[in-house]
Amino acid sequence: AQSVTQPDIHITVSEGASLELRCNYSYGATPYLFWYVQSPGQGLQLLLKYFSGDTLVQGIKGFEAEFKRSQSSFNLRKPSVHWSDAAEYFCAASGGGADGLTFGKGTHLIIQP
Amino acid sequence: EAGVAQSPRYKIIEKRQSVAFWCNPISGHATLYWYQQILGQGPKLLIQFQNNGVVDDSQLPKDRFSAERLKGVDSTLKIQPAKLEDSAVYLCASSSYRGRETYEQYFGPGTRLTVT
Repeated sequence: AQSVTQPDIHITVSEGASLELRCNYSYGATPYLFWYVQSPGQGLQLLLKYFSGDTLVQGIKGFEAEFKRSQSSFNLRKPSVHWSDAAEYFCAASGGGADGLTFGKGTHLIIQP
Repeated sequence: EAGVAQSPRYKIIEKRQSVAFWCNPISGHATLYWYQQILGQGPKLLIQFQNNGVVDDSQLPKDRFSAERLKGVDSTLKIQPAKLEDSAVYLCASSSYRGRETYEQYFGPGTRLTVT
């Protein structure tokens, strides 16, 4: 069965520190991969996506993610977090085209002053 | 460009009652999705429409949930009768997938349902 795993339920990072959120997937073939952010009371906003090609993808708000086929991972990174980055982050995957998304359970990011 | 619209934003009902949610996708988007997001979990796809036809409803509890997309634009998701475990945020998304192009799903703000 297709699945997406985010091992960390909560992560606390100091403002200005670097961030890495983990995501692992289990799919029959290389899936299309996404990272979404959800702030309280807000809808899901796409941060970045990987379909093919360069395994390091750049997104909005200074985020990037690296696809590693050998590890079935698609980890999200940011070199320096801001207090406004506090939110819920979801990794998602699909089989491509217009397929629906399979989401992980999310990682709640807390920013310490 | 207007985003995906959903209403109502909040709904509280008692168990065994019925409820309906409405979604208006981004203009021109042929594909529409309904997701259920239970507190503390990621969204789960309930049903996917391509124009006014159902593409995937494998995870829709069909004994109590129904959805339609008349004329390939707006969509309504209904629950009848509701159970306590249906308490969740119901998200609508749309995309403009055309063949081999890459695509993105745009999400609405969601409807938060509380069943008491």
